[in-house]
Amino acid sequence: AQKITQTQPGMFVQEKEAVTLDCTYDTSDPSYGLFWYKQPSSGEMIFLIYQGSYDQQNATEGRYSLNFQKARKSANLVISASQLGDSAMYFCAMRGRTQGGSEKLVFGKGTKLTVNP
Amino acid sequence: DTAVSQTPKYLVTQMGNDKSIKCEQNLGHDTMYWYKQDSKKFLKIMFSYNNKELIINETVPNRFSPKSPDKAHLNLHINSLELGDSAVYFCASSHWTGPETQYFGPGTRLLVL
Repeated sequence: AQKITQTQPGMFVQEKEAVTLDCTYDTSDPSYGLFWYKQPSSGEMIFLIYQGSYDQQNATEGRYSLNFQKARKSANLVISASQLGDSAMYFCAMRGRTQGGSEKLVFGKGTKLTVNP
Repeated sequence: DTAVSQTPKYLVTQMGNDKSIKCEQNLGHDTMYWYKQDSKKFLKIMFSYNNKELIINETVPNRFSPKSPDKAHLNLHINSLELGDSAVYFCASSHWTGPETQYFGPGTRLLVL
Protein backbone atom coordinates (compact mmCIF):
# COMPACT_ATOMS: atom_id res chain seq x y z
CA ALA A 1 0.00 0.00 0.00
CA GLN A 2 1.08 3.55 -0.63
CA LYS A 3 1.86 5.88 2.23
CA ILE A 4 2.75 9.55 2.60
CA THR A 5 4.42 10.89 5.73
CA GLN A 6 4.63 14.54 6.67
CA THR A 7 6.50 14.76 9.96
CA GLN A 8 6.11 18.50 10.58
CA PRO A 9 2.67 19.32 12.00
CA GLY A 10 3.57 23.02 12.01
CA MET A 11 6.29 25.25 10.62
CA PHE A 12 7.11 28.91 11.07
CA VAL A 13 9.08 31.12 8.69
CA GLN A 14 9.87 34.80 8.44
CA GLU A 15 8.51 36.72 5.50
CA LYS A 16 10.92 36.73 2.51
CA GLU A 17 12.81 33.67 3.77
CA ALA A 18 12.75 30.22 2.17
CA VAL A 19 11.14 27.24 3.85
CA THR A 20 11.21 23.49 3.21
CA LEU A 21 8.24 21.28 3.97
CA ASP A 22 9.13 17.62 4.31
CA CYS A 23 7.41 14.70 2.63
CA THR A 24 8.46 11.07 2.45
CA TYR A 25 6.60 8.37 0.61
CA ASP A 26 6.42 4.64 0.34
CA THR A 27 5.27 2.67 -2.67
CA SER A 28 6.18 -0.48 -4.55
CA ASP A 29 4.96 0.89 -7.89
CA PRO A 30 7.80 1.83 -10.24
CA SER A 31 5.62 4.56 -11.77
CA TYR A 32 4.04 7.14 -9.49
CA GLY A 33 3.33 10.83 -9.20
CA LEU A 34 3.83 13.22 -6.32
CA PHE A 35 1.74 16.33 -5.73
CA TRP A 36 1.63 19.24 -3.36
CA TYR A 37 -1.57 21.08 -2.52
CA LYS A 38 -2.15 24.22 -0.49
CA GLN A 39 -5.23 24.69 1.69
CA PRO A 40 -5.61 28.25 3.01
CA SER A 41 -7.94 29.04 5.89
CA SER A 42 -10.74 29.64 3.39
CA GLY A 43 -10.71 25.88 2.81
CA GLU A 44 -10.17 25.32 -0.89
CA MET A 45 -7.53 22.88 -2.14
CA ILE A 46 -5.10 24.50 -4.54
CA PHE A 47 -2.77 22.43 -6.71
CA LEU A 48 0.81 23.69 -6.51
CA ILE A 49 3.25 21.33 -8.16
CA TYR A 50 3.68 17.84 -9.62
CA GLN A 51 6.66 15.50 -9.93
CA GLY A 52 6.60 12.29 -11.93
CA SER A 53 8.71 9.38 -10.78
CA TYR A 54 10.58 9.27 -14.09
CA ASP A 55 11.15 13.00 -14.35
CA GLN A 56 14.86 13.69 -14.52
CA GLN A 57 14.66 17.21 -13.20
CA ASN A 58 13.06 18.62 -10.09
CA ALA A 59 9.74 20.33 -10.78
CA THR A 60 9.48 24.09 -10.36
CA GLU A 61 6.49 26.44 -10.50
CA GLY A 62 7.28 30.04 -9.73
CA ARG A 63 8.35 30.25 -6.09
CA TYR A 64 7.63 26.57 -5.54
CA SER A 65 10.11 23.83 -6.22
CA LEU A 66 10.05 20.16 -5.40
CA ASN A 67 13.26 18.62 -4.08
CA PHE A 68 12.83 15.07 -5.37
CA GLN A 69 15.25 12.50 -3.97
CA LYS A 70 14.13 9.18 -5.34
CA ALA A 71 16.60 6.99 -3.46
CA ARG A 72 15.51 8.55 -0.18
CA LYS A 73 11.84 8.48 -1.23
CA SER A 74 11.44 12.11 -0.38
CA ALA A 75 9.62 14.92 -2.18
CA ASN A 76 10.11 18.06 -0.15
CA LEU A 77 8.42 21.31 -1.12
CA VAL A 78 10.61 24.41 -1.10
CA ILE A 79 8.93 27.80 -1.01
CA SER A 80 11.28 30.66 -1.74
CA ALA A 81 10.77 34.26 -0.61
CA SER A 82 7.83 33.45 1.67
CA GLN A 83 4.86 35.77 1.63
CA LEU A 84 2.16 36.31 4.25
CA GLY A 85 -0.32 34.72 1.84
CA ASP A 86 1.65 31.48 1.97
CA SER A 87 0.29 30.81 5.45
CA ALA A 88 -1.82 27.69 4.99
CA MET A 89 -1.95 23.91 5.35
CA TYR A 90 0.20 22.09 2.83
CA PHE A 91 -0.53 18.54 1.78
CA CYS A 92 1.78 16.14 0.04
CA ALA A 93 0.01 13.47 -2.01
CA MET A 94 0.95 10.50 -4.13
CA ARG A 95 -0.85 8.85 -6.98
CA GLY A 96 -1.45 5.37 -5.65
CA ARG A 97 -3.56 2.35 -6.53
CA THR A 98 -6.52 0.65 -4.93
CA GLN A 99 -6.61 -3.11 -4.48
CA GLY A 100 -8.58 -3.24 -7.71
CA GLY A 101 -5.83 -1.43 -9.59
CA SER A 102 -7.59 1.92 -9.97
CA GLU A 103 -5.62 5.06 -9.33
CA LYS A 104 -6.27 7.39 -6.40
CA LEU A 105 -4.52 10.14 -4.47
CA VAL A 106 -3.13 9.24 -1.06
CA PHE A 107 -2.59 12.27 1.18
CA GLY A 108 -0.27 13.00 4.06
CA LYS A 109 -1.58 14.57 7.25
CA GLY A 110 -0.44 18.03 6.24
CA THR A 111 1.88 20.72 7.57
CA LYS A 112 0.54 24.03 8.81
CA LEU A 113 2.83 26.83 7.64
CA THR A 114 2.75 30.21 9.34
CA VAL A 115 4.59 33.11 7.75
CA ASN A 116 5.53 35.83 10.23
CA PRO A 117 5.92 39.47 9.20
CA ASP B 1 -15.07 30.76 -14.62
CA THR B 2 -15.18 28.16 -11.89
CA ALA B 3 -13.45 24.93 -12.91
CA VAL B 4 -14.93 22.59 -10.28
CA SER B 5 -17.99 23.83 -8.44
CA GLN B 6 -19.95 22.34 -5.57
CA THR B 7 -23.30 23.15 -4.05
CA PRO B 8 -24.12 23.86 -1.36
CA LYS B 9 -21.05 25.34 0.27
CA TYR B 10 -22.50 24.85 3.74
CA LEU B 11 -25.00 22.27 4.92
CA VAL B 12 -26.39 22.08 8.44
CA THR B 13 -28.90 19.34 9.10
CA GLN B 14 -30.36 17.05 11.72
CA MET B 15 -29.33 13.47 12.36
CA GLY B 16 -31.39 11.02 10.35
CA ASN B 17 -32.05 13.37 7.44
CA ASP B 18 -31.12 12.69 3.81
CA LYS B 19 -29.09 15.25 1.89
CA SER B 20 -27.34 15.67 -1.44
CA ILE B 21 -24.24 17.52 -2.58
CA LYS B 22 -23.77 18.39 -6.24
CA CYS B 23 -20.53 18.76 -8.19
CA GLU B 24 -19.88 20.01 -11.70
CA GLN B 25 -16.64 20.48 -13.63
CA ASN B 26 -16.07 22.39 -16.86
CA LEU B 27 -12.50 21.23 -17.45
CA GLY B 28 -13.39 18.49 -19.91
CA HIS B 29 -12.12 15.84 -17.52
CA ASP B 30 -13.43 12.29 -17.66
CA THR B 31 -12.79 11.27 -14.05
CA MET B 32 -14.37 12.69 -10.93
CA TYR B 33 -13.83 12.00 -7.23
CA TRP B 34 -15.32 12.53 -3.81
CA TYR B 35 -13.02 13.05 -0.83
CA LYS B 36 -13.83 13.47 2.85
CA GLN B 37 -11.74 15.74 5.08
CA ASP B 38 -12.24 15.06 8.76
CA SER B 39 -11.87 17.39 11.72
CA LYS B 40 -8.14 16.65 11.85
CA LYS B 41 -7.79 17.77 8.24
CA PHE B 42 -7.09 14.27 6.99
CA LEU B 43 -8.22 13.78 3.39
CA LYS B 44 -9.37 10.41 2.20
CA ILE B 45 -10.90 9.31 -1.07
CA MET B 46 -14.43 7.97 -1.00
CA PHE B 47 -15.44 7.39 -4.61
CA SER B 48 -14.17 7.81 -8.12
CA TYR B 49 -16.06 7.77 -11.42
CA ASN B 50 -14.59 7.48 -14.88
CA ASN B 51 -16.96 8.27 -17.75
CA LYS B 52 -19.96 7.74 -15.47
CA GLU B 53 -18.65 4.37 -14.28
CA LEU B 54 -17.82 3.77 -10.62
CA ILE B 55 -14.18 2.72 -10.35
CA ILE B 56 -13.31 3.36 -6.71
CA ASN B 57 -15.44 2.74 -3.64
CA GLU B 58 -13.25 2.94 -0.58
CA THR B 59 -15.27 1.03 2.02
CA VAL B 60 -17.72 3.85 2.44
CA PRO B 61 -21.00 3.02 4.25
CA ASN B 62 -23.79 2.29 1.81
CA ARG B 63 -25.69 5.29 3.20
CA PHE B 64 -23.46 7.21 0.78
CA SER B 65 -24.48 6.85 -2.83
CA PRO B 66 -22.70 8.69 -5.63
CA LYS B 67 -24.41 9.31 -8.94
CA SER B 68 -22.86 10.52 -12.18
CA PRO B 69 -25.47 11.56 -14.77
CA ASP B 70 -22.71 12.53 -17.19
CA LYS B 71 -18.97 12.92 -17.04
CA ALA B 72 -19.21 16.58 -16.05
CA HIS B 73 -21.33 15.90 -12.96
CA LEU B 74 -20.91 13.79 -9.85
CA ASN B 75 -23.41 14.04 -7.04
CA LEU B 76 -23.27 12.57 -3.56
CA HIS B 77 -26.41 11.52 -1.73
CA ILE B 78 -26.26 10.66 1.95
CA ASN B 79 -29.09 8.82 3.68
CA SER B 80 -29.81 8.74 7.42
CA LEU B 81 -27.11 11.24 8.33
CA GLU B 82 -25.07 10.53 11.45
CA LEU B 83 -23.03 12.82 13.68
CA GLY B 84 -19.82 11.25 12.36
CA ASP B 85 -20.67 12.36 8.85
CA SER B 86 -19.83 15.93 9.82
CA ALA B 87 -16.84 16.85 7.67
CA VAL B 88 -15.82 18.77 4.60
CA TYR B 89 -16.57 16.93 1.36
CA PHE B 90 -14.48 17.77 -1.67
CA CYS B 91 -15.21 16.97 -5.25
CA ALA B 92 -12.27 16.74 -7.67
CA SER B 93 -11.69 15.94 -11.31
CA SER B 94 -8.86 14.88 -13.58
CA HIS B 95 -8.05 13.26 -16.88
CA TRP B 96 -7.92 9.47 -16.75
CA THR B 97 -4.81 9.39 -18.92
CA GLY B 98 -2.18 12.02 -19.65
CA PRO B 99 -1.95 14.85 -17.13
CA GLU B 100 -3.61 13.41 -14.07
CA THR B 101 -3.49 16.34 -11.68
CA GLN B 102 -6.70 16.45 -9.70
CA TYR B 103 -8.40 19.80 -9.39
CA PHE B 104 -10.61 20.30 -6.38
CA GLY B 105 -13.87 22.07 -5.81
CA PRO B 106 -14.28 24.55 -2.95
CA GLY B 107 -15.65 21.93 -0.57
CA THR B 108 -19.00 21.45 1.17
CA ARG B 109 -18.97 21.85 4.92
CA LEU B 110 -21.50 19.42 6.37
CA LEU B 111 -22.55 19.70 10.00
CA VAL B 112 -24.90 17.10 11.40
CA LEU B 113 -26.61 18.07 14.64
